[in-house]
Amino acid sequence: QKEVEQNSGPLSVPEGAIASLNCTYSDRGSQSFFWYRQYSGKSPELIMSIYSNGDKEDGRFTAQLNKASQYVSLLIRDSQPSDSATYLCAFQGGGTASKLTFGTGTRLQVTL
Amino acid sequence: KAGVTQTPRYLIKTRGQQVTLSCSPISGHRSVSWYQQTPGQGLQFLFEYFSETQRNKGNFPGRFSGRQFSNSRSEMNVSTLELGDSALYLCASSFLREPRYTQYFGPGTRLTVL
Repeated sequence: QKEVEQNSGPLSVPEGAIASLNCTYSDRGSQSFFWYRQYSGKSPELIMSIYSNGDKEDGRFTAQLNKASQYVSLLIRDSQPSDSATYLCAFQGGGTASKLTFGTGTRLQVTL
Repeated sequence: KAGVTQTPRYLIKTRGQQVTLSCSPISGHRSVSWYQQTPGQGLQFLFEYFSETQRNKGNFPGRFSGRQFSNSRSEMNVSTLELGDSALYLCASSFLREPRYTQYFGPGTRLTVL
C-alpha cells in the first residue's frame, strides 16, 4: 500500500464549479497535512495546511481532514483557469517530523 | 522577505561526473530539506539539515550527500552521476517554530544527465 494515494486525474471541471481533490494516507501517526500546487515546470507552492479534524477555509480553498478515515481533501470553489495545475497532497508524521511524504498529485484542468 | 533560492537553475552533466547544487533558505529559517522529483517516482525526500547537522535521511544511495553551513545555506552533492539521476532537485526551508514545520520550496535545479 502506498503511503499517500491520490487520483492522478486529470480532473476536469468547468470554470466557476467546485473542484474536489482527495487524498488518503496510511500512516496513522501523521500529524500535519499540506496541499501544494505545482504548475508545469515550476516548484510546489503551499496552498493549505491542516492539523486538526474538520474544515479549514482560506479564500476559495477549503481543506478537510478526517484522521479516523485517514482522509484529507481540498475543495476549490469558483474554479478559475489559473487553478489548472497539479495538486500535491503531503503529510508529516512519525518520528521524522520534518520529512514530507508526497502523493503523486492530481492534475486539475479548469475548462472555459 | 525573499524566498528560497537555488543555484544553478539548470545543469547538464554526463554520466560519471559529479555535481553540487546550492540552496539558500528564507532568512531566519534554519532547516533545509532536499527532494528529488521525477515523472516516475514523484517527489521523494533526500535529507534534511538543521544547525549544520543531518537530522533525517531518505532512501537514496550514498552517492547523494549534503551539508549545511553556519549561515544555514546548504549544498547537495551527487557523485558518479547516472542517467536516472536526471530530475528536478528541490530545496525547501522551514522555520521549525511555525506550526508543524511548514516547508517552502525553492524554484529547483533541473539536472539532466547525458
